[in-house]
Amino acid sequence: EPEVTQTPSHQVTQMGQEVILRCVPISNHLYFYWYRQILGQKVEFLVSFYNNEISEKSEIFDDQFSVERPDGSNFTLKIRSTKLEDSAMYFCASRDRGRPNTIYFGEGSWLTVV
Amino acid sequence: GDSVTQMEGPVTLSEEAFLTINCTYTATGYPSLFWYVQYPGEGLQLLLKATKADDKGSNKGFEATYRKETTSFHLEKGSVQVSDSAVYFCALSRNTGGFKTIFGAGTRLFVKA
Repeated sequence: EPEVTQTPSHQVTQMGQEVILRCVPISNHLYFYWYRQILGQKVEFLVSFYNNEISEKSEIFDDQFSVERPDGSNFTLKIRSTKLEDSAMYFCASRDRGRPNTIYFGEGSWLTVV
Repeated sequence: GDSVTQMEGPVTLSEEAFLTINCTYTATGYPSLFWYVQYPGEGLQLLLKATKADDKGSNKGFEATYRKETTSFHLEKGSVQVSDSAVYFCALSRNTGGFKTIFGAGTRLFVKA
């Protein structure tokens, strides 16, 4: 079974620091996503990425967030200056163009901002 | 915009009881519908899906039927086990554009032995 992998699994950072969360989507997938889940709350869409550009973003995805696909395999989420309220589980996901109904989620990266 | 509403939890059941978790959605067009499960401390796992009206998704004894007339996708299981204790998320995905997934708030299920 193909899988999306995320690193780190857990990161603790000081408020105001920059954080980069990394994801390796499934190799032949073309659509990539980041979602966020604050502890005990719903899973929220952050951003979708296709053809090397953002195709959609939510209100949560403000100027402190950015995404990048620096090479052919990684997909990163950068939080420029972390705030306490950024503490959450961040899920990466990917989807194949030919099977739009099948989205694969990673195990998540726990971010704790102190 | 698109949205998913599911019954609030927690739901507490005894082992072998019947489970229903209600889910309704609002969307334009014909979205695909999903149930995801999140076990304690773990990520999201796709439990089942349905891509068109009247489709029934099923997996591990769980099932849900895509009802367009009532815009619902209720999750059911005939006999729950302690190991089914988890949070269940109903979700939809449009079949156009960026295909993003919209999640419901989640329903926590506790199953007692």
